[in-house]
Amino acid sequence: GIQVEQSPPDLILQEGANSTLRCNFSDSVNNLQWFHQNPWGQLINLFYIPSGTKQNGRLSATTVATERYSLLYISSSQTTDSGVYFCAVEGDKLIFGTGTRLQVFP
Amino acid sequence: DTGVSQNPRHKITKRGQNVTFRCDPISEHNRLYWYRQTLGQGPEFLTYFQNEAQLEKSRLLSDRFSAERPKGSFSTLEIQRTEQGDSAMYLCASSLRGGGYTFGSGTRLTVV
Repeated sequence: GIQVEQSPPDLILQEGANSTLRCNFSDSVNNLQWFHQNPWGQLINLFYIPSGTKQNGRLSATTVATERYSLLYISSSQTTDSGVYFCAVEGDKLIFGTGTRLQVFP
Repeated sequence: DTGVSQNPRHKITKRGQNVTFRCDPISEHNRLYWYRQTLGQGPEFLTYFQNEAQLEKSRLLSDRFSAERPKGSFSTLEIQRTEQGDSAMYLCASSLRGGGYTFGSGTRLTVV
């Protein structure tokens, strides 16, 4: 099956810093999504991005499907950005990576 | 559109008891998925339905687990004779084929 690797596994930032999260996947995919899981366990969809670049406020994402990776950029981080960020790719079903745990301190 | 709804939010049960969870997907979505997430891990696929047909089941879904989606609307996930290893967050998602997945808030199961 498709393998999904995320890096770094943990990230600690001070408020205001920028960061880049990476997702590598092992095969061609039909879909790629980035999620933020809040402390209550809710998975919040950030981007549906099988290819190209999208931006939403302080967040943006780029997927280079031919090279099998995606990047999530967080600019001017805030404490509310803390949580776990998951990349998930779909062949015939959505497969999740192990996540990046982000902690943003004031 | 009120999103994907899951009930209950939390369930504590004694080992050996049966439990049932419910998921109400987004009404226009024809695909419904169940995932399980344990502490420190990403969600793992359990099973999915297209309309009322169950199209795939993971090897994680032992004989004690059964899922149904009567009439292609809401779905239920039942766990019989629960074990402590079943303690996890159970997540439901829905999608249109070829579209993004929307997840519910999950049901957190604790088996004591």
